[in-house]
Amino acid sequence: DGGITQSPKYLFRKEGQNVTLSCEQNLNHDAMYWYRQDPGQGLRLIYYSQIVNDFQKGDIAEGYSVSREKKESFPLTVTSAQKNPTAFYLCASSKAQAPRIRHFGDGTRLSIL
Amino acid sequence: SQKIEQNSEALNIQEGKTATLTCNYTNYSPAYLQWYRQDPGRGPVFLLLIRENEKEKRKERLKVTFDTTLKQSLFHITASQPADSATYLCALDIPGRRALTFGSGTRLQVQP
Repeated sequence: DGGITQSPKYLFRKEGQNVTLSCEQNLNHDAMYWYRQDPGQGLRLIYYSQIVNDFQKGDIAEGYSVSREKKESFPLTVTSAQKNPTAFYLCASSKAQAPRIRHFGDGTRLSIL
Repeated sequence: SQKIEQNSEALNIQEGKTATLTCNYTNYSPAYLQWYRQDPGRGPVFLLLIRENEKEKRKERLKVTFDTTLKQSLFHITASQPADSATYLCALDIPGRRALTFGSGTRLQVQP
C-alpha cells in the first residue's frame, strides 16, 4: 500500500545538537510538507516543497532546514538554533493540483534530554 | 490573517446519537474546506472535502455543511460509535495561499 513513512517514532535531542527527521513517500506526489503540532494548537507549517530541488519556508521555519533531492524524500533537520523543539512533527504529501488533500505520516515526537 | 475556531472543549455524547462539530473561520473564504480525523499519536487522516459552491456533502455516516455567509462548516457523525472517538480537524484551502490552514481540532468522546 502507498503511504508516508516517518522515522524515528521518538527522538531525543541534547543541547546544541542537530537532529534529522526522516520522511519518505511512495504515493508519487509532487508536493511534500512538514508541520509542527503542539498541544492545543493547530498544525503549523514549517517548510514545503512543490518539486524536487525546490522548497519554501512556511510560517515557522526559523531553526529548521530541509532538502528535497529526491521526489520520495523530504528530511527535516531541527538545528540547535531551534530553542523550543519539543513537539510532534508531521510530514505530509499531496498532489500538486487543488484540492491538495494531505496524506500524513504517523509523526515523530521530539523531546529534549 | 486567517483564523479558524474549533471548539477546544471535548464533546461527549452517547453511542447512537449524532455528533455535531463546528468550524468557524474569519476573513477570506476558502475554495475548499477539508475535515480530518486524528487519533492519539497518529497523523491526521482525510475524511471529507467540500467546495465553496457546495452546501452539503455526505459519505456514509458523515455529513459536512458549508455556509459561506456564516463562515461556518458543521461536521456531523450520525449513529455515533465509540470507535468514532478521536480529534477532528478542519482545514481551509484558500486561493493564492501556499498551504492549508488547520484548526486546533475538537476531541470527540463517544460513550458506550
